[in-house]
Amino acid sequence: EVQLVESGGGLIQPGGSLRLSCVVSGFSVISNYMTWVRQAPGKGLEWVSVIYSDGSTFYADSVKGRFTISRDISKTTLYLQMNSLRAEDTAVYYCARDPGGALNGFFDFWGQGTLVTVSS
Amino acid sequence: SAELTQDPAVSVALGQTVRITCQGDSLPIYFASWYQQRPGQAPKLVIYAKDIRPSGIPDRFSGSGSGNTASLTITGAQAEDEADYYCNSRDSTGKLYVFGTGTKVTVL
Repeated sequence: EVQLVESGGGLIQPGGSLRLSCVVSGFSVISNYMTWVRQAPGKGLEWVSVIYSDGSTFYADSVKGRFTISRDISKTTLYLQMNSLRAEDTAVYYCARDPGGALNGFFDFWGQGTLVTVSS
Repeated sequence: SAELTQDPAVSVALGQTVRITCQGDSLPIYFASWYQQRPGQAPKLVIYAKDIRPSGIPDRFSGSGSGNTASLTITGAQAEDEADYYCNSRDSTGKLYVFGTGTKVTVL
């Protein structure tokens, strides 16, 4: 059974750092395209970052230079290191899987989300 | 940055048909997918690659598209279909992803 479970969210002051984790089961984070998507309170979905199966990484302009996506060699955990956090980064953060292949570009499995609140 | 535009809200009578649209410059090149999000829940994939329904999604959900517009149609809407719906696709580079602005569907 495919599962994704995020953790690491919480209350953090502006300028602080936080690392989110997403533990997966039923598949490997190495052989899929793994992404982070966030949703600010009462707002829509915003794509944040992706790590492709070849290890290349890409970011939304809103987080570029501040956030870093990575995965571990055990093939079961995805991370999002978030630095220089701002109030506008407050959101529920979801990890999601793009299965890749010829019809890539969609997210077939999602975690339940972890809330990050940036406030003094 | 790439954008996908959706109508903010639509309503549909129980058992009737509703179509939600998504417009964007990347849609002639890349497929659109659709997600249902109920309050307090994670998004759920209902259509991918323009018109493919994942296993377990009722056949009242269908997808289509032409040019820069993708559509999600719910034929015979049920009360449980009341939710927010988002489209997504790639940006023009094909490396990044983009979500639509979202449509709130109300079933009357």
